[in-house]
Amino acid sequence: DTGVSQDPRHKITKRGQNVTFRCDPISEHNRLYWYRQTLGQGPEFLTYFQNEAQLEKSRLLSDRFSAERPKGSFSTLEIQRTEQGDSAMYLCASSLAQLAGGTGELFFGEGSRLTVL
Amino acid sequence: AQTVTQSQPEMSVQEAETVTLSCTYDTSENNYYLFWYKQPPSRQMILVIRQEAYKQQNATENRFSVNFQKAAKSFSLKISDSQLGDTAMYFCACNNAGNMLTFGGGTRLMVKP
Repeated sequence: DTGVSQDPRHKITKRGQNVTFRCDPISEHNRLYWYRQTLGQGPEFLTYFQNEAQLEKSRLLSDRFSAERPKGSFSTLEIQRTEQGDSAMYLCASSLAQLAGGTGELFFGEGSRLTVL
Repeated sequence: AQTVTQSQPEMSVQEAETVTLSCTYDTSENNYYLFWYKQPPSRQMILVIRQEAYKQQNATENRFSVNFQKAAKSFSLKISDSQLGDTAMYFCACNNAGNMLTFGGGTRLMVKP
């Protein structure tokens, strides 16, 4: 396994367009997370899944944002009607739940950088 | 709700010297983990060290060690024999029962030759 992979790595779009990011977690991990990171700041939690169930969503996740993990494997994060304030790095991470033997460590992908013009 | 605070936006250290990065946190959980993550420029975030809150012994990983003061809710990272490759953003983080990590704002560390 090569770790968490994210696609695309960079996306430039015009305000008002829709964008979709994909995340492929480490295969045996049952939890998948999305974070947003702006320049020079720490990552901010957006949402997470256990298997295919979306268990928690941040207030940061407005109704323009939607995330799915249809088969409990890869996940997509879609942003509709993008705004300039959406410009950020979108990080995906995966982990094994503690009840399944996990240690709480999250394994991160390299991120998808979004620039909204 | 959890909060994590890193009071040092930037730090610098000479190569081969020791530096300590500060972190304080607040959580209502009884059982939790604390982490230090490293994010090199334009590269992905990787785990540096992990501390289980119920363990009194401070975690150590080679040149990296922590000073965990549970009562004070303090979790500092000490880097010994600093190397140029240690230059990065360092994030302190705390998880909750749902494994959701809350991150601090980060400390930018520059190791100078």
